[in-house]
Amino acid sequence: DTEVTQTPKHLVMGMTNKKSLKCEQHMGHRAMYWYKQKAKKPPELMFVYSYEKLSINESVPSRFSPECPNSSLLNLHLHALQPEDSALYLCASSQPTGPIFYGYTFGSGTRLTVV
Amino acid sequence: SQQGEEDPQALSIQEGENATMNCSYKTSINNLQWYRQNSGRGLVHLILIRSNEREKHSGRLRVTLDTSKKSSSLLITASRAADTASYFCATPLIQGAQKLVFGQGTRLTINP
Repeated sequence: DTEVTQTPKHLVMGMTNKKSLKCEQHMGHRAMYWYKQKAKKPPELMFVYSYEKLSINESVPSRFSPECPNSSLLNLHLHALQPEDSALYLCASSQPTGPIFYGYTFGSGTRLTVV
Repeated sequence: SQQGEEDPQALSIQEGENATMNCSYKTSINNLQWYRQNSGRGLVHLILIRSNEREKHSGRLRVTLDTSKKSSSLLITASRAADTASYFCATPLIQGAQKLVFGQGTRLTINP
């Protein structure tokens, strides 16, 4: 299995809602990532988990809360979002840091709309 | 700020022609990677070139790297309509690190 699976594919939520994005991989990767991508812009890193521990938080607002329950799963919990948080949220995984680095495997993303 | 800057921002060519995209970066790198993104979808890893390599091929893709100029190019030969997508270069920000930083991307359109 060489896929990263993200659910849901589309999500519309109100500013007072609580929702979660899910990401799953079965490639044995021990690093997982959340990226945010606005239209016609490159992906921007939000969080990095390495061996199930949060290793990088790119000063993301606390209304975004990541969680890595095990080596295959990555969640992004959303609460009290703003309309400007509407974007494509991408999950990726890779082998951990090392001299051989083969790049990321991305999921198809969750298209989030905050109303 | 983004590590990589790409040009052109948009490129439109006829099917069968070659497409060349360029990427410049700012800091020393361990490797440079190219990704493709179809509209509204996830990114697909195309090719990785290490800092000690100057050129690499994969099918119709040819990537060059000039570390003295801090630049890379992606050439797609004999383009097809299915190559229509956005193409991003990406570099690990820290030597060997997991954190990839993406360039602004080139939107490529192949006209039939």
